[in-house]
Amino acid sequence: DQQVKQNSPSLSVQEGRISILNCDYTNSMFDYFLWYKKYPAEGPTFLISISSIKDKNEDGRFTVFLNKSAKHLSLHIVPSQPGDSAVYFCAAIPGNNNNDMRFGAGTRLTVKP
Amino acid sequence: NAGVTQTPKFQVLKTGQSMTLQCAQDMNHEYMSWYRQDPGMGLRLIHYSVGAGITDQGEVPNGYNVSRSTTEDFPLRLLSAAPSQTSVYFCASYMNTEAFFGQGTRLTVV
Repeated sequence: DQQVKQNSPSLSVQEGRISILNCDYTNSMFDYFLWYKKYPAEGPTFLISISSIKDKNEDGRFTVFLNKSAKHLSLHIVPSQPGDSAVYFCAAIPGNNNNDMRFGAGTRLTVKP
Repeated sequence: NAGVTQTPKFQVLKTGQSMTLQCAQDMNHEYMSWYRQDPGMGLRLIHYSVGAGITDQGEVPNGYNVSRSTTEDFPLRLLSAAPSQTSVYFCASYMNTEAFFGQGTRLTVV
């Protein structure tokens, strides 16, 4: 069963606009969430994370929002740049097992100049 | 500082062949893991290790073996390859909850 879901396989936005990538999860034991970015022929790289005790974490152009009651998180990129074009993976870790990081299927973001 | 290095980058195997995917990290991380990435499935955990001499199964361990004789190396073995093991494999090492991934190995089993 897929405990972390990214229901949009792809997203296309114009340069300078906001990109919003969504992620839903089903396991209420998850208490730490991460976003990874992946370029073709490379491994994923860590982008930003959020603990379940927060509802927002910001790092430059990237902001992650967490809605625990809805079991939903989102990644906002403002403003979007062509170099942001990549696949974005949402990941979650349960509080009782740091070894069990679960990933979503990924969303391919294309930022058009 | 090379980070996490995986070899080979590409491999084609015949059904029933065996091979070892190599993974090495130079960051002195205790925790390492192997994932496979399949279309529409994200990354799924195969095996992980919390330190030298300690390994455990992840979400999809069947058909794979691992060992961890040193902190640096964490090889993944396919004893008898099957077409269902066609995938992209990523090795990762961890500092706290942040994973550092290798570039991946694209494996095709025919």
